[in-house]
Amino acid sequence: KNQVEQSPQSLIILEGKNCTLQCNYTVSPFSNLRWYKQDTGRGPVSLTIMTFSENTKSNGRYTATLDADTKQSSLHITASQLSDSASYICVVDHDFSGGGSNYKLTFGKGTLLTVNP
Amino acid sequence: ETGVTQSPTHLIKTRGQQVTLRCSSQSGHNTVSWYQQALGQGPQFIFQYYREEENGRGNFPPRFSGLQFPNYSSELNVNALELDDSALYLCASSSTSGSLYEQYFGPGTRLTVT
Repeated sequence: KNQVEQSPQSLIILEGKNCTLQCNYTVSPFSNLRWYKQDTGRGPVSLTIMTFSENTKSNGRYTATLDADTKQSSLHITASQLSDSASYICVVDHDFSGGGSNYKLTFGKGTLLTVNP
Repeated sequence: ETGVTQSPTHLIKTRGQQVTLRCSSQSGHNTVSWYQQALGQGPQFIFQYYREEENGRGNFPPRFSGLQFPNYSSELNVNALELDDSALYLCASSSTSGSLYEQYFGPGTRLTVT
């Protein structure tokens, strides 16, 4: 069964601190791994997308890593800000047709990050 | 803002009723995907439409149906509403050009079934 597991479920840190969120997946065949940020009651916003051949991808203070052999990914946030408080969702997609738009995204449940002043 | 819009923002229905949710995709995008997100959970894939045809479906019963129009906007219809259908419904548009199929999500429609 295709699954995406994230840890921790929730995390509280102080403003200015760094943190790392984890993602393990069993999705097969695997195409890409994505990290999204979702504010409460809003749609997810893409942070990074990595293909299976990429090991790391950065977007400002967000850095995602991928180990396709162990099927693990992490999202590292540096110098956290109050506006980073949100749910961070790991998403794995697989192209079940080998081309075109026949693909499906499998979402994790997310890690709820709270940044306190 | 992603350019993807959804309507209505909030909706309250009673069990057994039918509901239609709408999504306008980002300009130039020909693919729309629909997701159901229950409280505290990640989004669950309902189905995807590509050039007006259903192009993949998740584990949702047939009472969840959809349409995509020639302008690539889309509707999600749910018949015989159940209490468990209460959720945030998200649509995401994407383009088949490029290899990473970046999906842009709308703000969602919050459906409450009483």
